[in-house]
Amino acid sequence: LAKTTQPISMDSYEGQEVNITCSHNNIATNDYITWYQQFPSQGPRFIIQGYKTKVTNEVASLFIPADRKSSTLSLPRVSLSDTAVYYCLVGEPNTGGFKTIFGAGTRLFVKA
Amino acid sequence: EAGVVQSPRYKIIEKKQPVAFWCNPISGHNTLYWYLQNLGQGPELLIRYENEEAVDDSQLPKDRFSAERLKGVDSTLKIQPAELGDSAVYLCASSLPGGYNEQFFGPGTRLTVL
Repeated sequence: LAKTTQPISMDSYEGQEVNITCSHNNIATNDYITWYQQFPSQGPRFIIQGYKTKVTNEVASLFIPADRKSSTLSLPRVSLSDTAVYYCLVGEPNTGGFKTIFGAGTRLFVKA
Repeated sequence: EAGVVQSPRYKIIEKKQPVAFWCNPISGHNTLYWYLQNLGQGPELLIRYENEEAVDDSQLPKDRFSAERLKGVDSTLKIQPAELGDSAVYLCASSLPGGYNEQFFGPGTRLTVL
């Protein structure tokens, strides 16, 4: 199982771009990278998933370098409502035996 | 479309008492997960079901925890007897089958053991 390492916390201001990097040095060939967001008193919510290069959706972008040993979640122009915990997960899809390991996540605090 | 439903939202019990949590997944989601989340930490997987079969229960403390999903839809997680250290949020999630698909989480049940 690939272990992930993220910063414990980050601060930002409204309107700024926030980049959260996740290290996963032992990522396997078939592993995908997935990010979840969690607000207080709620369950985590899927943000984005990717395998290589760049993935973009209406919420965020995910940048994955060629060696795939790290990935960066990019949140454009954050607002106060983006204050949450962000989790990076690594795992292999389409197998029956995968495990979901969230880790401690990165606490993002957006200030006015 | 209704999301994952969990009940109760909050539960306070005394130690050594039994407690049960209920989860109704999103319609059509054959895969169901139970997680435990301690304060300040990420969710930890307890058990994963594919339909009514528990395909991964390696992290479930089987001496006091049990789970069932009899008809492959709703699921119940039980603790008997509860200990002080079981105080946490218990999250249920569901997903489409076939692997590492997006998981949809319920709001969780916050358990306090006194």
